[in-house]
Amino acid sequence: DGGITQSPKYLFRKEGQNVTLSCEQNLNHDAMYWYRQDPGQGLRLIYYSQIVNDFQKGDIAEGYSVSREKKESFPLTVTSAQKNPTAFYLCASSTEDTQYFGPGTRLTVL
Amino acid sequence: KNQVEQSPQSLIILEGKNCTLQCNYTVSPFSNLRWYKQDTGRGPVSLTIMTFSENTKSNGRYTATLDADTKQSSLHITASQLSDSASYICVPRRIDADSGYALNFGKGTSLLVTP
Repeated sequence: DGGITQSPKYLFRKEGQNVTLSCEQNLNHDAMYWYRQDPGQGLRLIYYSQIVNDFQKGDIAEGYSVSREKKESFPLTVTSAQKNPTAFYLCASSTEDTQYFGPGTRLTVL
Repeated sequence: KNQVEQSPQSLIILEGKNCTLQCNYTVSPFSNLRWYKQDTGRGPVSLTIMTFSENTKSNGRYTATLDADTKQSSLHITASQLSDSASYICVPRRIDADSGYALNFGKGTSLLVTP
């Protein structure tokens, strides 16, 4: 998992609540990413950030928000607008040609 | 549009046997292709990366091949071990005008190695 930490590992939330997933890296990478993984599906890009104070929507950004106030941190908020939030969430950071993934957070909406 | 197709979807083999996983892709313009191993409940870990000029690359018991003309790649695992049980994900990288590049993740092949 190489220098990228995600917390918590498991997260439960009630419908209608917002929840924030943490992602921290000490690899000094400029670029960071959030992916969602569902059973039997490939990873889908939610948001990415190539530099501090800047981020871009990925393929499935609706119902999510991010911030990038520090190079080391890229938290993801799953809002109540996300219709189907139960999933495995992966954070990554990258050099020019390699992405390094965190251990993931499994979010379950009750 | 799914630009990466992996086969088989799942595979069960006996410990010590070999196996080959397939990946067909349509991404263009193509930059490189990486194979990841993902253990259950963990993040993916890179196994190999291949550029369009490379045909074969090995990493221990893992050997990847690439045919950039036919847009096909394979991952061969030799003398499988129980610890090889995981999902193997093919990720071709496309050169993207806006972001510099874009990754396209396959759905993965789920491999189970049994004693």
